Amino acid sequence: KAGVTQTPRYLIKTRGQQVTLSCSPISGHRSVSWYQQTPGQGLQFLFEYFSETQRNKGNFPGRFSGRQFSNSRSEMNVSTLELGDSALYLCASSPLGQGAQNIQYFGAGTRLSVL
Amino acid sequence: AQSVTQPDIHITVSEGASLELRCNYSYGATPYLFWYVQSPGQGLQLLLKYFSGDTLVQGIKGFEAEFKRSQSSFNLRKPSVHWSDAAEYFCAVGTNAGNMLTFGGGTRLMVKP
Repeated sequence: KAGVTQTPRYLIKTRGQQVTLSCSPISGHRSVSWYQQTPGQGLQFLFEYFSETQRNKGNFPGRFSGRQFSNSRSEMNVSTLELGDSALYLCASSPLGQGAQNIQYFGAGTRLSVL
Repeated sequence: AQSVTQPDIHITVSEGASLELRCNYSYGATPYLFWYVQSPGQGLQLLLKYFSGDTLVQGIKGFEAEFKRSQSSFNLRKPSVHWSDAAEYFCAVGTNAGNMLTFGGGTRLMVKP
């Protein structure tokens, strides 16, 4: 099976722009979670989607949003980019609907640089 | 809310030496615990997990971890480190609330030849 695929791998944007990142989960996985990784804050949970519905959300401003399509692919969008949004954005997919005894498989990430 | 602490930001060991990376968690119920490894510029690879049962769990690449409820710890060990083990290691806790993990700050492992 192919792993979790994130595109693009690298992005450079300027402040005020918006950006869309894409994640294709492992075939058959219905849950997709997004994380932000920065040197200062570490790995932080952004949100989780399951069956096209946002099920959990981390503590991020409304500029961060996401969606999931019927084929389980997911996108996240960041509007009005700030310098502090520069980070590695990781997507993870899970085979099960609930968190209990569940395992998340991570993609290689999208490196976003905001200038 | 749950939290994870990895007290050691950096650790350097000699190749062939044993390794122990510390992880302490805070969670009111039974935790689901994970160790992930991240090589530079890459995503996270799962090393091992603990859900229930035997408190000593075996993972990939010769790693093992021991869950100690009384100490709220889930330390990662390897008897003999290889140069290819140099990477950053993250401990994480999951809950029943959904597919969201809370990570520790990570421990960067360097291996001396």
